[in-house]
Amino acid sequence: KNQVEQSPQSLIILEGKNCTLQCNYTVSPFSNLRWYKQDTGRGPVSLTIMTFSENTKSNGRYTATLDADTKQSSLHITASQLSDSASYICVVSALWMIKAAGNKLTFGGGTRVLVKP
Amino acid sequence: DAGVIQSPRHEVTEMGQEVTLRCKPISGHDYLFWYRQTMMRGLELLIYFNNNVPIDDSGMPEDRFSAKMPNASFSTLKIQPSEPRDSAVYFCASSLKPDRGWGAVSGNTIYFGEGSWLTVV
Repeated sequence: KNQVEQSPQSLIILEGKNCTLQCNYTVSPFSNLRWYKQDTGRGPVSLTIMTFSENTKSNGRYTATLDADTKQSSLHITASQLSDSASYICVVSALWMIKAAGNKLTFGGGTRVLVKP
Repeated sequence: DAGVIQSPRHEVTEMGQEVTLRCKPISGHDYLFWYRQTMMRGLELLIYFNNNVPIDDSGMPEDRFSAKMPNASFSTLKIQPSEPRDSAVYFCASSLKPDRGWGAVSGNTIYFGEGSWLTVV
């Protein structure tokens, strides 16, 4: 069964500090991995999409890594800001072997980050 | 572009009533998705459309749920009759057709709406 596990479930960090969120998956065959940021009361917003050939991808202060061999990904937040307080969702896409069908997404449970001043 | 537009943003209804959620995808997007999010189960895909055609509705919980996409710019998710366990946030999302051939792995960004917060009492 395809699964995506995120850790920690939640964390509190001080403004200006760095943090790293983890995502382990068992999705197969792997297509791509996405990180989404979801502010409270809002819809998820895409941060990055990574394919198996990409090890690192950055989006501002967010840096995602992917190890397709160990099926692990991390999201690193540098110099955290109060606006980084949100849930971060790891989503892994399995490749459907039907050309018109598109990818099938498996969602992690998310990591809730709270940045304190 | 205004993004994916959903309505209503909030709805409180009584058990047994019909609920209709609406979605306008981003213009030009080929795919439209309906998701449900709860604290217990996180985000779950209910159904998705490609070029207005339902492709996979295996996530629709039961016959009380139905979704339609009469044209490229509009979709509805209907619950009839509604039950308290249907209380959740329902997200509509859209994306372009993945730029991929057979077996290719490039992804496509999925853009979410702000969600419709449904409470069934």
